[in-house]
Amino acid sequence: ETGVTQTPRHLVMGMTNKKSLKCEQHLGHNAMYWYKQSAKKPLELMFVYSLEERVENNSVPSRFSPECPNSSHLFLHLHTLQPEDSALYLCASSQYSTGSYEQYFGPGTRLTVT
Amino acid sequence: AQSVTQLDSQVPVFEEAPVELRCNYSSSVSVYLFWYVQYPNQGLQLLLKYLSGSTLVKGINGFEAEFNKSQTSFHLRKPSVHISDTAEYFCAVSEGSGSYIPTFGRGTSLIVHP
Repeated sequence: ETGVTQTPRHLVMGMTNKKSLKCEQHLGHNAMYWYKQSAKKPLELMFVYSLEERVENNSVPSRFSPECPNSSHLFLHLHTLQPEDSALYLCASSQYSTGSYEQYFGPGTRLTVT
Repeated sequence: AQSVTQLDSQVPVFEEAPVELRCNYSSSVSVYLFWYVQYPNQGLQLLLKYLSGSTLVKGINGFEAEFNKSQTSFHLRKPSVHISDTAEYFCAVSEGSGSYIPTFGRGTSLIVHP
């Protein structure tokens, strides 16, 4: 595998389910991100993990819970979601300390909450 | 705080015509600037970036952008578009060295007609 991978690519879940999204980066980067992309809305940063800190968007509901066990893996745990949480969830990574700064994105998980 | 404005939500153009996608930013410090492209059902992919040096930056797929500090702009151009350039284009800005959390514009949908 190369680049940034995300599983599953598609997920349909009920409002009472618990599921997790997985992201893995094979680039040796030191920062990982979760974004939410809804139709007709701007890209929304949800969480960032870097070597030094975790940054979270305070507007993200607590039904979304991130986990970053090491620098290569990132999870987004989902529980009791709402229909408005249906969106494309994108994972990204970057290596900001070497002066490149650009982000590398995975293909996304298309989430539908029924 | 930084912000990014993409002035056009949608740009229709005929194949082989030139195109310009506009991006303006606001920031009180020096910035790094990026353009990303997103094809349907995929993640974002870096087209080009400006970190320093020459203000004219060339990227992949024949795209280029020019950094204009006085006008705080970073417009994306291509002299002759193809049907395959139909996609969503995002401008992003990071505030200088050490910043690993970029701000994205709302995106411009480029639609190339035959």
